[in-house]
Amino acid sequence: QSVLTQPPSASGTPGQRVTISCSGSNSNIGSNYVYWYQQLPGTAPKLLIYRNNQRPSGVPDRFSGSKSGTSASLAISGLRSEDEADYYCAAWDDSLSGDVVFGGGTKLTVL
Amino acid sequence: QVQLVQSGAEVKKPGASVKVSCKASGYTFTSYAMHWVRQAPGQRLEWMGWISSGNGNTKYSQKFQGRVTITRDTSASTAYMELSSLRSEDTAVYYCARDPKQQLAPGGWFDPWGQGTLVTVSS
Repeated sequence: QSVLTQPPSASGTPGQRVTISCSGSNSNIGSNYVYWYQQLPGTAPKLLIYRNNQRPSGVPDRFSGSKSGTSASLAISGLRSEDEADYYCAAWDDSLSGDVVFGGGTKLTVL
Repeated sequence: QVQLVQSGAEVKKPGASVKVSCKASGYTFTSYAMHWVRQAPGQRLEWMGWISSGNGNTKYSQKFQGRVTITRDTSASTAYMELSSLRSEDTAVYYCARDPKQQLAPGGWFDPWGQGTLVTVSS
């Protein structure tokens, strides 16, 4: 099963800008949209970005997504303590029978 | 508001089956598909499959094909995920999550999510 690759951890100080990368392949990120989910400690994941760079209503514009080729990135500007969470990228995969694949998650620490 | 409320934690023995429910409210249940995703301790999220709440069509991840069954009861606005032949590696939190479309067509996303159901498999 194809998977997406994320760095296990990232960190920043309040007010800083941090980026989290997500690497895939032609069968997933290369040919489909990327989605980002935020999981605060002890809670269910929450949709943060859909279709590469679209924010659902209620998500601050400090969060932004981008995609290029078989990689994607999530950027968080004006970092705040409440942004400390796990972040997961996801994409549909055209190989096999067309499953959804996730990254391993990046734990963001606000120093 | 749109809400998905799942059933409570379960403890099962290896070889048994578990059935988790996901009750939807705040929207027309049959107008959206429903996914099931699990998260084992310290592991990545893992997509299991989905169901069109309208016509009941399903599609499963190849990894779980043959062991997972997703159903729905439209009169109760509830989706179900049953996993059989449980083993210790199936210990995980299981989530339901709504797709923005009714049909089982790729390209959707998961929003919102249920609160999760912990399934523990232990002898």
